[in-house]
Amino acid sequence: GDSVTQMEGPVTLSEEAFLTINCTYTATGYPSLFWYVQYPGEGLQLLLKATKADDKGSNKGFEATYRKETTSFHLEKGSVQVSDSAVYFCALPSGGYNKLIFGAGTRLAVHP
Amino acid sequence: NAGVTQTPKFRVLKTGQSMTLLCAQDMNHEYMYWYRQDPGMGLRLIHYSVGEGTTAKGEVPDGYNVSRLKKQNFLLGLESAAPSQTSVYFCASSYSLAGGWGEETQYFGPGTRLLVL
Repeated sequence: GDSVTQMEGPVTLSEEAFLTINCTYTATGYPSLFWYVQYPGEGLQLLLKATKADDKGSNKGFEATYRKETTSFHLEKGSVQVSDSAVYFCALPSGGYNKLIFGAGTRLAVHP
Repeated sequence: NAGVTQTPKFRVLKTGQSMTLLCAQDMNHEYMYWYRQDPGMGLRLIHYSVGEGTTAKGEVPDGYNVSRLKKQNFLLGLESAAPSQTSVYFCASSYSLAGGWGEETQYFGPGTRLLVL
């Protein structure tokens, strides 16, 4: 069945460091792929999405490229800020009705 | 425009007690969902609804019931709470796009933290 695997956290970085959070998936067909972010004490919100192979989603300095060959959707940011501290979830639509399968989440802590 | 709201924010129950979590959305979305979030397990779908008066089971439905009597509200009930139901519960909603692929964005509420003793 469909599944999402994320790198385990927590990830701890200094401000202005480069960030990569790995995400791989197993799916039937070529679904859209999502990254959601959960800031402390809040619900999840969409960070970015890509709808087809080789698409690059981007938002708030974050980017992720849909790689069909490696079934991956890794999240990157060139220079993280303290305000990026959050939990990041990779997600995959599955079963229609906009239902999602989520990865386990990766906690990012950025220190000044 | 409040988006998705959840009531209550936090609750402590004793084993065997019952309670209802309320989710409300003001975006006129057709689809609504209840998830639970547990450490290291991401979010898991409990139940969902594709329209007023409809409900369906998700990945982890046991011990929960739901109702969607009004389009804007989706209720999650625990009839006899167990310690294994200690979790953070999130409600979400999304719109249905005619002819779409079923891959539209979900909008989440702030969550309800439930502790069952």
